[in-house]
Amino acid sequence: AQSVTQLDSQVPVFEEAPVELRCNYSSSVSVYLFWYVQYPNQGLQLLLKYLSGSTLVKGINGFEAEFNKSQTSFHLRKPSVHISDTAEYFCAVSAGAAGNKLTFGGGTRVLVKP
Amino acid sequence: NAGVTQTPKFRVLKTGQSMTLLCAQDMNHEYMYWYRQDPGMGLRLIHYSVGEGTTAKGEVPDGYNVSRLKKQNFLLGLESAAPSQTSVYFCASSNSGWLGEQFFGPGTRLTVL
Repeated sequence: AQSVTQLDSQVPVFEEAPVELRCNYSSSVSVYLFWYVQYPNQGLQLLLKYLSGSTLVKGINGFEAEFNKSQTSFHLRKPSVHISDTAEYFCAVSAGAAGNKLTFGGGTRVLVKP
Repeated sequence: NAGVTQTPKFRVLKTGQSMTLLCAQDMNHEYMYWYRQDPGMGLRLIHYSVGEGTTAKGEVPDGYNVSRLKKQNFLLGLESAAPSQTSVYFCASSNSGWLGEQFFGPGTRLTVL
């Protein structure tokens, strides 16, 4: 079975400050990891994904995430946030050789303050 | 190119009523999915389809049925709505299975009284 834990339900951050959103997963087989963003009153959009290769993955809008197998983590970072980054962020995992159903974490709500 | 669209955007039902949510995609994607989103629980997969004429159960299928008669459409039905089905429902589609990017619709907010 696979599971995802997002350790912070809410993260307030000032504009132009860095932000890190934590994600830990649990799986007994190989994993594929995703970060999605949901802006207010919209559906989800893919920020980035890790399938294989380099453990540092760069995504859209200046976000990046690092896959750490020993820590079973896939934390999302941005060095300088904008007001427009106010949104809810979801980590998701798909496990198994060819992938499987996505399991989403509970989400982290980021509020960027001026 | 509208992407993924959902109808309706909002709906209020009484317990025991039935309804169908429609999802349409114009990207010629093979895979389509229905999720429900509840506070603090992320998204949970209800049913999915890997191609026209196919459907499969997801994580929380009880109380829902689906049909994929046309490749571009994926219908979610509630035969006898219950208050526990109050949620925001999202449809998504992808062209590369579970490892591909899923494209989401704007959601349907359903309240069951």
